[in-house]
Parts: sequence; C-alpha cells; structure tokens
Amino acid sequence: IQMTQSPSTWSASVGDRVTITCRASQSFNSWLAWYQQKPGKAPKLLIYKTSTLESGVPSRFSGSGSGTEFALTISGLQPDDFATYYCLQYNTYPWAFGQGTKVEMK
Amino acid sequence: EVQLLESGGGLVQPGGSLRLSCAASGFTFGNYIMSWVRQAPGKGPEWVSGITASADKTYYADSVKGRFSISRDNSKNRLYLQMSSLRAEDTAVYYCGKDGSERPVQHWGQGTLVAVSS
Repeated sequence: IQMTQSPSTWSASVGDRVTITCRASQSFNSWLAWYQQKPGKAPKLLIYKTSTLESGVPSRFSGSGSGTEFALTISGLQPDDFATYYCLQYNTYPWAFGQGTKVEMK
Repeated sequence: EVQLLESGGGLVQPGGSLRLSCAASGFTFGNYIMSWVRQAPGKGPEWVSGITASADKTYYADSVKGRFSISRDNSKNRLYLQMSSLRAEDTAVYYCGKDGSERPVQHWGQGTLVAVSS
C-alpha cells in the first residue's frame, strides 16, 4: 500500500486551521498514524489508529478518515507546530510513509 | 523510561556490509515488535524492516529485500540489522523503533548514520 500525501508545503499563520491529507493506493482499516518531525530529531507519534491521540499530544491535533482518504487537522496552529508531518500506513507490510508536509510560517 | 541506543553506523564502500545494533532498556523487550526506519539526508523517513516479538516473522521494504536481514536477541535486549551489498542510496540515518499497543513506532532511538561512498 502506497501513501500519497498533500500538500507538500503549507504556509500558515499562528491560529490557522491546517488540514493535511493522505491518500492510500488501496483501501484499508484504520491502521494509519501521523508523525511530527523537527530538524535533527526523530519523528514523534501524534495520532495512531486514524484518530486516537497519543498521550501528551495537544487536543488541537485530530485525525480522521477511512478507506483510502485520511486527514490530520491542526485547529489553531501554535508556534511549536511549525514542523514537517508524515502519515504512515501500518495496515500491511511493507509499511509506508507519505512524502511529508512542511508547515511553514507565512 | 524507554531507551533505544543504536550503534554500528559509519562509512562503507559500495558493495560492502555493515551490522547495526540497537540496545533497548526500560521495557520488556521480548514483548514488542521492533522496527528499523531510515531517513536519507533531506528526505522523509522510510520504513526498512520489522520483526515480531518472538522473531518468528520478519518483514522488509522492497528496496532492501534480499540485502538486509533483521534479527533480535531477547536475552540481551538487542535488535540488529545486517546490511550487505550496500549502495549509495542506502546512505541515511538509521533509527531503531519500538512499537506500542495498536501503535506503530512509538519510541525512537537517536539514530546512527550510515554513509555509503567510495
């Protein structure tokens, strides 16, 4: 299963609502995760099983979707949220990351 | 506290071999699926390989199948990645990862750099 993520870049301001999407090459059930990565650091798990928030992750992050279309939404972008975001399908081996979305300051 | 510490990276010539190791602590190692994920300079992460808790099943990305081999020693709390026939495109930071309940890689090591160049 391959993942196509869009957009590749999102220019935003603090307080904006940001939505990133991932489209799968075939339908699968819920085993979709979202990661945040900052330069020089390992990715950080934000959401797993499509919509479950990892412990300690702010509630402004949310995940949704099913089948072949999945989304990560940040409601009210904060300064700490400027980073690159990746989806990951872990429904079927080999697992596959999306190409990434860089959320940058407008 | 979960800790994962990779070692074994370095500079290797094309066609060469390298063995990465990951020392795990802070959790019951033998209960968890473990993974290797790599990230080439300026690129996104790429899942490389995974192994079940009992090591009865292993999985690989198409890009490394037949060249890389994942293994684990639950008595030593160690995860390994044997890499052979290395290519320039294998150059990346290699991360060891611990999966969680219903989660993919939940905890990450700090990574070890593998550079393939003549």
